[in-house]
Amino acid sequence: NAGVTQTPKFQVLKTGQSMTLQCAQDMNHEYMSWYRQDPGMGLRLIHYSVGAGITDQGEVPNGYNVSRSTTEDFPLRLLSAAPSQTSVYFCASSPQGAAGYTFGSGTRLTVV
Amino acid sequence: GDSVTQMEGPVTLSEEAFLTINCTYTATGYPSLFWYVQYPGEGLQLLLKATKADDKGSNKGFEATYRKETTSFHLEKGSVQVSDSAVYFCALSDSAGGFKTIFGAGTRLFVKA
Repeated sequence: NAGVTQTPKFQVLKTGQSMTLQCAQDMNHEYMSWYRQDPGMGLRLIHYSVGAGITDQGEVPNGYNVSRSTTEDFPLRLLSAAPSQTSVYFCASSPQGAAGYTFGSGTRLTVV
Repeated sequence: GDSVTQMEGPVTLSEEAFLTINCTYTATGYPSLFWYVQYPGEGLQLLLKATKADDKGSNKGFEATYRKETTSFHLEKGSVQVSDSAVYFCALSDSAGGFKTIFGAGTRLFVKA
């Protein structure tokens, strides 16, 4: 099994550009989440989903959109990139709320 | 809202020393508690979990006990190795919060040979 696959691994954007970070899982997990990791701040939840067609906001949703049209895919869209969105982004999936997450290997995003 | 507080690092230990990393939480309901580990350049890996009070999670020599009375879930290991050097994250998932998983800030551990 591939687990949780994130693409791209690295990306540089100019301020104001938009892009989509891809996340796919092949474990038939219902729960999926996006986090950003910044030095000294741990992981902060951006958006999460408890199943296809259901999404909700996390701690830091501003500037990001998500959709969940299939169980497998949970893309994260940056609408208009800002330097404050420079971070490492992790996607994760879980079969249910108390099971614990399987993480992808991350996307390192730099906004200049 | 829910929150997780971990001891600040870095923690530096010699090989074979005893490890404790403190974690306390605030939650509305009855959360499940987790420890994750992150090695350099990698994503997080689930290390252990506990889903109700007095449960003990264990894996690879690490242990943590869910203490409802003190709202704590401290990570322990009796004898650390150089290969345990990593960042450790405490986390909770609360049914009252829609099962959002919230993480602490992480504690970096360095183990010297």
